[in-house]
Amino acid sequence: NAGVTQTPKFQVLKTGQSMTLQCAQDMNHNSMYWYRQDPGMGLRLIYYSASEGTTDKGEVPNGYNVSRLNKREFSLRLESAAPSQTSVYFCASSVPGAAVYGYTFGSGTRLTVV
Amino acid sequence: TQLLEQSPQFLSIQEGENLTVYCNSSSVFSSLQWYRQEPGEGPVLLVTVVTGGEVKKLKRLTFQFGDARKDSSLHITAAQPGDTGLYLCAGRDTGTASKLTFGTGTRLQVTL
Repeated sequence: NAGVTQTPKFQVLKTGQSMTLQCAQDMNHNSMYWYRQDPGMGLRLIYYSASEGTTDKGEVPNGYNVSRLNKREFSLRLESAAPSQTSVYFCASSVPGAAVYGYTFGSGTRLTVV
Repeated sequence: TQLLEQSPQFLSIQEGENLTVYCNSSSVFSSLQWYRQEPGEGPVLLVTVVTGGEVKKLKRLTFQFGDARKDSSLHITAAQPGDTGLYLCAGRDTGTASKLTFGTGTRLQVTL
């Protein structure tokens, strides 16, 4: 099925470990986004990529890095995980002008840092 | 950073009742979207409103964008258990292309 695919779905890390969250979309969307979701705080933007070859910081970028590998793939890396990064991470994609078309989200990665 | 506050945060009602969820901000948005999220899944777009005062209906769901484009409401008539989920509003500000700011969310539970 067309859409946004995220891997892994679940991950437990020890403090200080690193990992990369993978995201791929097959809808030929130009823009891609990484959000984290915490109880009572909605979705907060970590990084986004308006188009292939560009990335920009969102609201909560500290402790994260991203790579827009090509038009389909946008990865999120935690270099040294901290308990404060325990969250559910969502990748999304959109065509330009998301005001009308909206975002398509993946099903999320639930990350626990102990 | 623009903030979108939703109220109530939690809502538990019985099947057949009506309810309204509010989404408020001090900032003006060029458009506003509503999403529904079910457990273990990402949010799914329900509707986009663009014009101040605009009202859109989606079966038993009615969405309204405030005249000043700072607030929105979602009204559900005769709620059903299938309406259970997390409802999120999201605003696109007037100065930034494509990025959305999400609200704090309203968790709705509809019981038989």
